[in-house]
Amino acid sequence: NAGVTQTPKFRVLKTGQSMTLLCAQDMNHEYMYWYRQDPGMGLRLIHYSVGEGTTAKGEVPDGYNVSRLKKQNFLLGLESAAPSQTSVYFCASTKGGVQNEQYFGPGTRLTVT
Amino acid sequence: DQQVKQNSPSLSVQEGRISILNCDYTNSMFDYFLWYKKYPAEGPTFLISISSIKDKNEDGRFTVFLNKSAKHLSLHIVPSQPGDSAVYFCAAITNFGNEKLTFGTGTRLTIIP
Repeated sequence: NAGVTQTPKFRVLKTGQSMTLLCAQDMNHEYMYWYRQDPGMGLRLIHYSVGEGTTAKGEVPDGYNVSRLKKQNFLLGLESAAPSQTSVYFCASTKGGVQNEQYFGPGTRLTVT
Repeated sequence: DQQVKQNSPSLSVQEGRISILNCDYTNSMFDYFLWYKKYPAEGPTFLISISSIKDKNEDGRFTVFLNKSAKHLSLHIVPSQPGDSAVYFCAAITNFGNEKLTFGTGTRLTIIP
C-alpha cells in the first residue's frame, strides 16, 4: 500500500499561472481533504470531499477549486496563482470523518513568484 | 483568531524523562481533540485522540489529558525517546459530521540523548 501520494513534490509558479495538484489514496477511503500549512500557523482546511463526486469548502477556499471524479483521487486546482498561495499543501484521507485518524501525504511545496 | 493555541513553539527534554506538550482552546463548542506528530518533509501522522466526555486517554507511552473547565489539554510522553523529536499539533472539532478540524500552530519537541 502506497497510502496517500501527492504529485508533484515541488513546484515554482509565476503569478497568474495555473496548476493542478494531484492526491491519490489506495485505502478506499471515502473522505479526502486538502490543507495548507504556512509558517507559524497550523494546517488550514482548503476543501474537502465526503465521497466520490462531492466537494465542500473548508476554512480558506478562495482561489482554489477541487474535483473528486474518482474515489481514489482528489485534485486541487489553482486557476491564477498568487504569491499568497505560496505554501506547503497536504492532502489527507480518512475512512469516516476527521474524528478518525487522517492519513496524510508527504506534501507539495509550492512557490509563487 | 487562533481558536487552538500552542503557546510553546519549542520544548527540549532529556531522553527518558517526561515530555509535556500543552494546548489551549477558546471555542467551548469543541468536543473532540486529536494530536498529530510531524517529522520534517513528511505529512502529519495521527497520535492519539480524546472525546470531551473523557478527561484522560492513554495509548502506550502517550497520554492525553483534557481539562474542559480550563479549556486545556496536554500530551504526556513517558519515557521520551529520540524518535519522539518532531513537531506536535493539537487539533479540535466541534461535532461529529463537521469536517473542519482546527489545528494549533505546533510545538517542536527535541529529545536530548
